[in-house]
Amino acid sequence: NAGVMQNPRHLVRRRGQEARLRCSPMKGHSHVYWYRQLPEEGLKFMVYLQKENIIDESGMPKERFSAEFPKEGPSILRIQQVVRGDSAAYFCASSSRRWDTEAFFGQGTRLTVV
Amino acid sequence: AQTVTQSQPEMSVQEAETVTLSCTYDTSESNYYLFWYKQPPSRQMILVIRQEAYKQQNATENRFSVNFQKAAKSFSLKISDSQLGDTAMYFCALEETSGSRLTFGEGTQLTVNP
Repeated sequence: NAGVMQNPRHLVRRRGQEARLRCSPMKGHSHVYWYRQLPEEGLKFMVYLQKENIIDESGMPKERFSAEFPKEGPSILRIQQVVRGDSAAYFCASSSRRWDTEAFFGQGTRLTVV
Repeated sequence: AQTVTQSQPEMSVQEAETVTLSCTYDTSESNYYLFWYKQPPSRQMILVIRQEAYKQQNATENRFSVNFQKAAKSFSLKISDSQLGDTAMYFCALEETSGSRLTFGEGTQLTVNP
């Protein structure tokens, strides 16, 4: 049973470009969470999705950021018109239900904006 | 809003010795979960131990144990018989029943010396 798969592991974008980060949850998991880790900091919650629905996006910037988790395929975190401050590690986690269960993390995507 | 504080940015310990990492938190809820995650240089987030707030008994996983003081809102991690492979960043995290997000502390970098 493969773990949570994130790709790419490393992504370099120039300022103004778009970044697309992908997350394939563990088999049987329908709950996906995205977190951002700035250098020398802890992880900060961004968004929680359940298949085809955004449940909680209170941690996601209102502009330039969007997330989806379609019925088929991976969850996508999309950052439009990236700026230097978007450089960070972005982690995805998945779980089989909302509460009282372990969330498993992927290895993260390190985004560097040049 | 919930908060998690780790006041020790860095710690070191000799191999085979015991070390304790501190964590305090704040929440208005009576039921919640507390976690310790380990992040080695590979960046993978690995769950070390989990504590349910309504359980008075401290959780234990092999060499890892916690001291959960609910009234003091304290949740420390004790690592016994430290091994070189324990070298990593350790994050304390809180999950409230009213939401599904994890709130992380800023982390403690633990180095185990030979």
